[in-house]
Amino acid sequence: QVQLQESGPGLVKASQTLSLTCSVSGASVDSASYYWNWIRQPAGKGPEWIGRIYTTTGSVNINPSLKSRVTISVDTSRNQFTLKMTAVTAADAAVYYCAKSGAGAGLYYFNAWGRGAQVTVSS
Amino acid sequence: IQMTQSPSTLSASVGDRVTITCRASESLGSLLAWYQQRPGKAPKALIYKASTLESGVPSRISGRGSGTEFTLTIDDLQPDDFATYYCQQYKTYPWTFGQGTTVELK
Repeated sequence: QVQLQESGPGLVKASQTLSLTCSVSGASVDSASYYWNWIRQPAGKGPEWIGRIYTTTGSVNINPSLKSRVTISVDTSRNQFTLKMTAVTAADAAVYYCAKSGAGAGLYYFNAWGRGAQVTVSS
Repeated sequence: IQMTQSPSTLSASVGDRVTITCRASESLGSLLAWYQQRPGKAPKALIYKASTLESGVPSRISGRGSGTEFTLTIDDLQPDDFATYYCQQYKTYPWTFGQGTTVELK
């Protein structure tokens, strides 16, 4: 069974960089069968997909609304992938989830999620 | 693609049948998923490709639809089913979610 666990600072100052890591167990981040995603959910709102990485090809897809500020990378030696978001504002405060999706046709939905990491932005 | 769910809140009793509707601003074919989220927990996939049940999800939960209109139906509502439900399209970047439907106890 695949398990994901987010880690990183829960408090980030406005204008600084948010950095979160997702540790994966039960699957390999360089598997050709999976994409690795970041999703966030502000309090009381629906989830927002941030982006994904496909290690096999190095392909990264980022939500255009965040593209200028977001980087997603992978560390295969540690079986982890990472989110970096620059120039954060109060609007970036949310629960951040990492999630797995399939790589086959029709399988891009999120079939495994981490527990989530609460990120607060301070002024 | 904008996803619109209705209703926003649904009041029901144990044993009821409930249906949630999700409409997309563009055709998705069948590339739609449904999730359940309990308070303080991560969303959990229920349905993918509009009508395929995720492994381990009870058969009293079903999904239908294609194109721009989709439904999630829960038969014989159980206490564990009182939660918030989201639809999500994965036809076109960026993947987008509906605003959610909360099923609450009447």
